[in-house]
Amino acid sequence: QKEVEQNSGPLSVPEGAIASLNCTYSDRGSQSFFWYRQYSGKSPELIMFIYSNGDKEDGRFTAQLNKASQYVSLLIRDSQPSDSATYLCAVKLKTSYDKVIFGPGTSLSVIP
Amino acid sequence: DAGVTQSPTHLIKTRGQQVTLRCSPKSGHDTVSWYQQALGQGPQFIFQYYEEEERQRGNFPDRFSGHQFPNYSSELNVNALLLGDSALYLCASSRNTGPLHFGNGTRLTVT
Repeated sequence: QKEVEQNSGPLSVPEGAIASLNCTYSDRGSQSFFWYRQYSGKSPELIMFIYSNGDKEDGRFTAQLNKASQYVSLLIRDSQPSDSATYLCAVKLKTSYDKVIFGPGTSLSVIP
Repeated sequence: DAGVTQSPTHLIKTRGQQVTLRCSPKSGHDTVSWYQQALGQGPQFIFQYYEEEERQRGNFPDRFSGHQFPNYSSELNVNALLLGDSALYLCASSRNTGPLHFGNGTRLTVT
């Protein structure tokens, strides 16, 4: 089992819809979870981080964490064409001090 | 407040050669991590430096080595380059338990 898994996509949603991106992780003791956005040819950009079970909202973005299910998700409300990018889920492993592991990313396309 | 800076932005090397990539962390950050990202894949952890020591290492051969200087800047060295080493090399800095902040990356092409 890979340490961090994501649906590879591509995920296509119409403009204005909610995009839902999912991620599962294998290290049950992991404490810190991150979502990065990466435009083609660019470096990853931090969108949100979440440490506690439940939801964390920041503007149009909501991160959801369920440690019992080892599941973290990112919801993007009112999706815009500028949201079209690859979204990377990252997990800081408890078993390795400060080592952050990334998933393969999910490609999102927002159709005008 | 300068973010993470990497140099060079692009590099073309021949198989068997050696390359050095450089990174200056974001102001206030003391930890530097290096990642390799092949096209269409997520970043793969190479290693992390803290207090001038390699603290963690990913599943990369010894051809990949690094260094951190007293000013927290870092270098990534790759010896005996292979075609498969062609990738985007990302440097990320952090402090304590905070999130990683990435530089713009170095695109390495090995021919």
